[in-house]
Amino acid sequence: AQSVTQLGSHVSVSEGALVLLRCNYSSSVPPYLFWYVQYPNQGLQLLLKYTSAATLVKGINGFEAEFKKSETSFHLTKPSAHMSDAAEYFCAVSDESFQKLVFGTGTRLLVSP
Amino acid sequence: EPEVTQTPSHQVTQMGQEVILRCVPISNHLYFYWYRQILGQKVEFLVSFYNNEISEKSEIFDDQFSVERPDGSNFTLKIRSTKLEDSAMYFCASSGGDTSFNEQFFGPGTRLTVL
Repeated sequence: AQSVTQLGSHVSVSEGALVLLRCNYSSSVPPYLFWYVQYPNQGLQLLLKYTSAATLVKGINGFEAEFKKSETSFHLTKPSAHMSDAAEYFCAVSDESFQKLVFGTGTRLLVSP
Repeated sequence: EPEVTQTPSHQVTQMGQEVILRCVPISNHLYFYWYRQILGQKVEFLVSFYNNEISEKSEIFDDQFSVERPDGSNFTLKIRSTKLEDSAMYFCASSGGDTSFNEQFFGPGTRLTVL
């Protein structure tokens, strides 16, 4: 079975500061990993995905994530937070069938001026 | 840009009533999914659908739930007899049959409130 753990239900940063959202996965097969963002009253939007190509993945809005097999991690980072980054972020894992996504509990990012 | 749409945005129903949630996936996509998110909890997989049949379902997706693709564009989720615990945001998603098959595009969701 696959699972994802997101450490920290809330992360607060100041505008311009580094954003680090943590995600650890568990999978008995090679994982495919995703980060989604959810703005208030909206659906889920894909930020980036890891599908066994480059371990450092760049996504939209300046976000990137690095797949580290030895640490079973896929943390999301952004060098400089913007007020518009305030949202809920979900890490998700799938297997090669892509029949389903298994989501983490989410991390709410708060950005203060 | 193509997008997944869902109707209604908010549905209120009485316990025991049947509800149908509707989704229009992206037109050239072949794989369809339903997820739900109970308030304050994580997004949970319900069911995936391909080639007019269910390809995988979770333990949540019991006999009270069914899915259908009644025509070439709609994808529906029916809950036969709603319970209070069915109150949640329901998301539809679709993915393509080409190189984008591994990316699921999500709709804005339908908030279901069971009274």
